[in-house]
Amino acid sequence: QKEVEQNSGPLSVPEGAIASLNCTYSDRGSQSFFWYRQYSGKSPELIMFIYSNGDKEDGRFTAQLNKASQYVSLLIRDSQPSDSATYLCAVGSPWNTDKLIFGTGTRLQVFP
Amino acid sequence: NAGVTQTPKFRILKIGQSMTLQCTQDMNHNYMYWYRQDPGMGLKLIYYSVGAGITDKGEVPNGYNVSRSTTEDFPLRLELAAPSQTSVYFCARGTGDYGYTFGSGTRLTVV
Repeated sequence: QKEVEQNSGPLSVPEGAIASLNCTYSDRGSQSFFWYRQYSGKSPELIMFIYSNGDKEDGRFTAQLNKASQYVSLLIRDSQPSDSATYLCAVGSPWNTDKLIFGTGTRLQVFP
Repeated sequence: NAGVTQTPKFRILKIGQSMTLQCTQDMNHNYMYWYRQDPGMGLKLIYYSVGAGITDKGEVPNGYNVSRSTTEDFPLRLELAAPSQTSVYFCARGTGDYGYTFGSGTRLTVV
């Protein structure tokens, strides 16, 4: 089992819809969770982080964390074509606090 | 990508040549990392450093070397370049608690 798993996609949603991106992780002791956005040909950019169970909202983005079920999700409301990118989930290693474990990413396509 | 500067942005190498990818950060962070990303694939950790003079191997260290003589600089050395090293290389700084900041990347092609 991979340490951090994401569906590779592509996930296609119409403009204005809610995009839901999911990520599961294997280490139950993980304490920090991140979402990165990566446009084609660019470097990953941190867009959300969450440490506690529940929801965390920032503008159109909401990160959701459920430690009991070991999943973290990212909701993008009112999706725009400019949101089309690959979204990487990253989880802090419980054994080595300087390490992030990255998923392989989900490609999101928002069509007009 | 304020905070982490990578050079060059693009490079074409011939098989067997060597080169150094430069990475400099401006925040005096102890933790720095080198990743490679192949098309459609995730990030793979090559080497990392937890401070000046301290480096350690990641998942895919073969064919690479690093040094960390100062907190600011973390160069990645490729010796005897091979086509399998064609990739995009990202340098990053940060921690697992607060996340990483990535440089803009170096796109390397080995022919």
